[in-house]
Amino acid sequence: ETVMTQSPATLSVSPGDRATLSCRARQSVNSNLAWYQQQPGQAPRLLIYDGSTRATDIPARFSGSGSGTEFTLTISSLQSEDSAIYYCQQYNKWPGTFGQGTKVEIK
Amino acid sequence: VQLVESGGGVVQPGKSLRLSCVASGFTFSSSAMHWVRQAPGKGLEWVAVISFGGSHEFYADSVKGRFTISRDNSNNTLYLQLGSLRVDDTAVYYCAKVDSPYSGASYFDYWGQGTLVTVSS
Repeated sequence: ETVMTQSPATLSVSPGDRATLSCRARQSVNSNLAWYQQQPGQAPRLLIYDGSTRATDIPARFSGSGSGTEFTLTISSLQSEDSAIYYCQQYNKWPGTFGQGTKVEIK
Repeated sequence: VQLVESGGGVVQPGKSLRLSCVASGFTFSSSAMHWVRQAPGKGLEWVAVISFGGSHEFYADSVKGRFTISRDNSNNTLYLQLGSLRVDDTAVYYCAKVDSPYSGASYFDYWGQGTLVTVSS
């Protein structure tokens, strides 16, 4: 299966600052990459699919980029409600596999 | 879109349990459906998928031969039968929808709130 590695494990960012999260695939996944947000005690929510397409009702401050093996999720101006764990998932090859997550904390 | 899971609880090792997920707000019979689980404090693990008509189903190696996914399109309900349960099956189990009728890998556009299964003696 395709191993996904996220970095850093934890990111501490001040409100209004930019947060940059990375996701690396061991082999190319083309643009078949999604990002999810999981707030404490809640189910994951789809943020980005196909590498860079925002899902329905996702604020414009969330953006995704990359293709192949290197992907980035950027939160342009961090809000307090963005405190969560963020997971990437590849769906280029069955079964879809998740990264281990990046925890974003508000400084 | 709404997905509501139920059926979780505390169960002894070796026992069985059936989870349900009732769907609404979309054409259930046109979507493949998945189960994804999350052990306490851990990441997300895909468990199983069933195609839109129920003719194709696939499982993670960790549950193959013990779990069975099924669906009732007339009642918009997805099921997961958990058998020969082990302590390491303890997790929140989520049902998740994909924007495809087929059982290939895809992203999950909607998730239920999850149901907790605790396997303990």
